[in-house]
Amino acid sequence: DAKTTQPPSMDCAEGRAANLPCNHSTISGNEYVYWYRQIHSQGPQYIIHGLKNNETNEMASLIITEDRKSSTLILPHATLRDTAVYYCIVRVGYGGSQGNLIFGKGTKLSVKP
Amino acid sequence: SAVISQKPSRDICQRGTSLTIQCQVDSQVTMMFWYRQQPGQSLTLIATANQGSEATYESGFVIDKFPISRPNLTFSTLTVSNMSPEDSSIYLCSVGDIGETQYFGPGTRLLVL
Repeated sequence: DAKTTQPPSMDCAEGRAANLPCNHSTISGNEYVYWYRQIHSQGPQYIIHGLKNNETNEMASLIITEDRKSSTLILPHATLRDTAVYYCIVRVGYGGSQGNLIFGKGTKLSVKP
Repeated sequence: SAVISQKPSRDICQRGTSLTIQCQVDSQVTMMFWYRQQPGQSLTLIATANQGSEATYESGFVIDKFPISRPNLTFSTLTVSNMSPEDSSIYLCSVGDIGETQYFGPGTRLLVL
């Protein structure tokens, strides 16, 4: 079973920030938080990942709470092309025996004009 | 990031036949993964394919139905054997070693009639 909980759907107005929450209350000390998105029927696209510090790249920002039990993915200026299913996944980053990802149902983000 | 290609991109097959899907990556990787995404569902891991060893299958997936080859560090195949309409899915390969980001191919869309 997936170790994360996400809302099934969210709407966002074009040009506004999209804030996608994720709960991972059972996360272990050696598990990273990864975010992927899947635009209709394409392969999942990596967005960002982090361990405990906030992270930012050209696509998004990742805010992780101090207790690491939840996080928020922020798309600062959402466009129609950001409409996709967003997956939050916890994954062992080191010291583990598995490199695979376990996908939950994700959040379907709809960006509206 | 790794560039991954899959062949075929889509196919329509008759029940009882088999289809072999190829996955090619532009750099050497230790771990390759095969996922299935049934219509309207999230991704489910089928197996992990490591070069030089037998593939490791997840619960519910067996080698006779989904034989996998991994002849070198840049290539893998997944065969869907004796197909039925229930095998209609998107099949995705991904690459990524322990502690490293996992990247996905574009997927193979399979329809079984």
